[in-house]
Amino acid sequence: TQLLEQSPQFLSIQEGENLTVYCNSSSVFSSLQWYRQEPGEGPVLLVTVVTGGEVKKLKRLTFQFGDARKDSSLHITAAQPGDTGLYLCAHESYNTDKLIFGTGTRLQVFP
Amino acid sequence: DAGVTQSPTHLIKTRGQQVTLRCSPKSGHDTVSWYQQALGQGPQFIFQYYEEEERQRGNFPDRFSGHQFPNYSSELNVNALLLGDSALYLCASSNRWGYTFGSGTRLTVV
Repeated sequence: TQLLEQSPQFLSIQEGENLTVYCNSSSVFSSLQWYRQEPGEGPVLLVTVVTGGEVKKLKRLTFQFGDARKDSSLHITAAQPGDTGLYLCAHESYNTDKLIFGTGTRLQVFP
Repeated sequence: DAGVTQSPTHLIKTRGQQVTLRCSPKSGHDTVSWYQQALGQGPQFIFQYYEEEERQRGNFPDRFSGHQFPNYSSELNVNALLLGDSALYLCASSNRWGYTFGSGTRLTVV
């Protein structure tokens, strides 16, 4: 089983602060996906990283795939209350179409 | 263009009962996967349906079964409900280009 460990598990910050969420594994992945899930909703895809060392930006969110393709990080600059939610990393299990999700990071941004 | 539609949104059942959850996939998607998500955790893969057959299965007991219809919609059935089956059940439809998740069915077993 290719486990994805996310840290921290919980994060509670004030509006305007910066934060980084980590997704780690001992396995090598062809790609990793990041999702955000708001209360009462399903996960929504934010980005897919494919190349080792790749950096992708989505407004105030910066995603990085580790050089060895075993880990990834999500950095949020100047967090806003609208960023509140459960952040999940995921990968597609080798040679199948099923998504394996990480343990999740629950982010709460206070005004 | 409607995304993934799940019904019902909320459900309360008694231990030992049976439940059926429904999912209509996004237009253009032919594969449906079901996930169970406990509070505050990542979704866990239950099984996946393609061409009306179960293509893959996660580590869930036989009490969990499913079906896919010719129009690609799908059902998840759970028999002999246990308190531990209380969770958010997510349906995801997909094609070669990616996944789309529904908003889920919140099942509470009392």
